[in-house]
This record gives sequence, C-alpha cells and structure tokens, in this order.
Amino acid sequence: DAGVTQSPTHLIKTRGQQVTLRCSPKSGHDTVSWYQQALGQGPQFIFQYYEEEERQRGNFPDRFSGHQFPNYSSELNVNALLLGDSALYLCASSPLMGGNGYTFGSGTRLTVV
Amino acid sequence: AQKITQTQPGMFVQEKEAVTLDCTYDTSDPSYGLFWYKQPSSGEMIFLIYQGSYDQQNATEGRYSLNFQKARKSANLVISASQLGDSAMYFCAMRVGGSNYKLTFGKGTLLTVNP
Repeated sequence: DAGVTQSPTHLIKTRGQQVTLRCSPKSGHDTVSWYQQALGQGPQFIFQYYEEEERQRGNFPDRFSGHQFPNYSSELNVNALLLGDSALYLCASSPLMGGNGYTFGSGTRLTVV
Repeated sequence: AQKITQTQPGMFVQEKEAVTLDCTYDTSDPSYGLFWYKQPSSGEMIFLIYQGSYDQQNATEGRYSLNFQKARKSANLVISASQLGDSAMYFCAMRVGGSNYKLTFGKGTLLTVNP
C-alpha cells in the first residue's frame, strides 16, 4: 500500500518565479495538509484541503495557494518566490476523522536563489 | 492558541540505554491529541506514538512509551534500549479537537545514539 508521494524531491528556483509542488495521498485518505519546514525548525502548517476546498489555513500570505483534485491529490503553488521560501515542504494525508492517522511524505526541498 | 515546547535542542545517549525527550504543551481545549514523530535526515516524518487527552493509560508502542502528565501538561517520549538507528530529529506535535485538523509542532530535539 503506497504511502504519501510527493514530487519533485528537489527543486531550485530563482527569486520572483513561481513553483508548483505535488502530493498524492495515502490510499483511503481524503484530507491533505501542507507544511513548511525551515532549516532547524519544526514544520509550520500552511493549509489543509478536504473535498476540494481549503478547510483550514495557517499564517501564510496569499502567495501560497493550493488545490485538491477529485482523486484527492493536491498541489501547492507559491508565487513571487522569496529567498525565505527556501524550505522542506511536507505533505500529510489523513482521514477527516478518527485515529491518529496523519501520514507524511518525504517532502520537496525547495531552494530559492 | 496552541503551543508545543521542546526545551532540549540536542540529547546524547549510549546504545542500549533509555532516554527521555521532553515535551510540554499548552491549549485550553479539553479535547486534543499528542503525537511524536521521528525525522531522519531523509526528511520523512515517521509516526511513533499517539496519546489522546481522554486516554486513561499512557501509550506504548514497542520501545516507545509516552509519559503523559495531564496536570503538568507534559507528554515526554521515553525510548528504551536505544539503537544506533534511533539517531534522528524528534518532534512533539499536538492536534486540537476531534477532527484531523492541523498539527502544531515543537522545534524538535536532535537525538544522537553513541556506540
């Protein structure tokens, strides 16, 4: 049973560019969350999607946007990249309710130069 | 607002010994869940153990146990019989409410197991 799959694994972008990161959730999970983890820090919650709608959002600017598709997969888009956006971006899937059921992917490491 | 505090930036332990990683939390919601994750250098967050706020007994999962002291708002992770492969970052996290909403993470503790 496949877990959470994220692509790409590594990415280098230039300031001002736009980037799209992708996530396929674990089979049976319908909720996808995105986290940003700066070097040496714990993950920070960006937003969560359920039924193709943004269900909850953390303290991130509108440059960060997302989408969830009917097959529950998700994209994270970041516009007008800043050097400070360099981080590991983690995707986590879960059922909406019940259990201790967050499963994380291995992340996408984004470097902005 | 929810907050997780991990006060140990780094810990060292000898192989085969036990180690305790500290975690305190703050929330006014009576329903919450506490998690511990292991993050090796590969980056993936690996789930270790979970404790619900209404659980009467401390959670255990193999060599991992959670020392849950509700009145003190602490949820320390105990790893027994440490192995070299336990060397990694360890994060304490909290979910508030009964639904799988966001996790709030601490800053983590880097555990090094020495041979």
